[in-house]
Amino acid sequence: QVQLQESGPGLVKPSETLSLTCTVSGASISSHYWSWIRQPPGKGLEWIGFIYYSGTTNYNPSLKSRVTISIGTSKNQFSLKLSSVTPADTAVYYCARDSFNWNYQEYWGQGTLVTVSS
Amino acid sequence: EIVLTQSPDTLSLSPGERATLSCRASQSVISNYLAWYQQKPGQAPRLLIYGASSRATGITDRFSGSGSGTDFTLTISRLEPEDFAVYYCQQYGSSPITFGQGTRLEIK
Repeated sequence: QVQLQESGPGLVKPSETLSLTCTVSGASISSHYWSWIRQPPGKGLEWIGFIYYSGTTNYNPSLKSRVTISIGTSKNQFSLKLSSVTPADTAVYYCARDSFNWNYQEYWGQGTLVTVSS
Repeated sequence: EIVLTQSPDTLSLSPGERATLSCRASQSVISNYLAWYQQKPGQAPRLLIYGASSRATGITDRFSGSGSGTDFTLTISRLEPEDFAVYYCQQYGSSPITFGQGTRLEIK
């Protein structure tokens, strides 16, 4: 059974960098696409970007200048970095595994709330 | 960027009734690469439908998807209490991947 778990600080100061890690169990990260999606409190879903195990990435143009998604140095982890955050970046951040060939999300982590505040 | 507009914003129905949710795209969705997700409070979204009409693993046949091009529909044939939630459509054929704003299905 594929499981994903987000981890990282729940509070980030404005102008700093948000860093999250997604740990995958029940599947190898060496296949499929792996995505980050966020949801501001009480609002809808926003796709942030994905990474393929080979390292190929694709980011939402609205965030592209601030986002980096990478495969973790530890096995079966991938990470998200979002720089120069503002309160508008406050959201629940989800990591997910996409289907083998297409970029819809089959498996999701439970999500982690990140608040941007001084 | 493809903008997805869902309607209605809120749908009030009773258990046992049929629900019809709409998702309209600002331009044609490539190869009908459209998915539907269900989200309950405090939970991650759950994949229901992909490719406009294919049910995801483990999804009851009370859920069905249809449509092509710019107009897509999610139908729930007989509402059960656990179906009341927020539903999102998503297009994954063009970058950036985009979601609709969601339809809240509430108990009447």
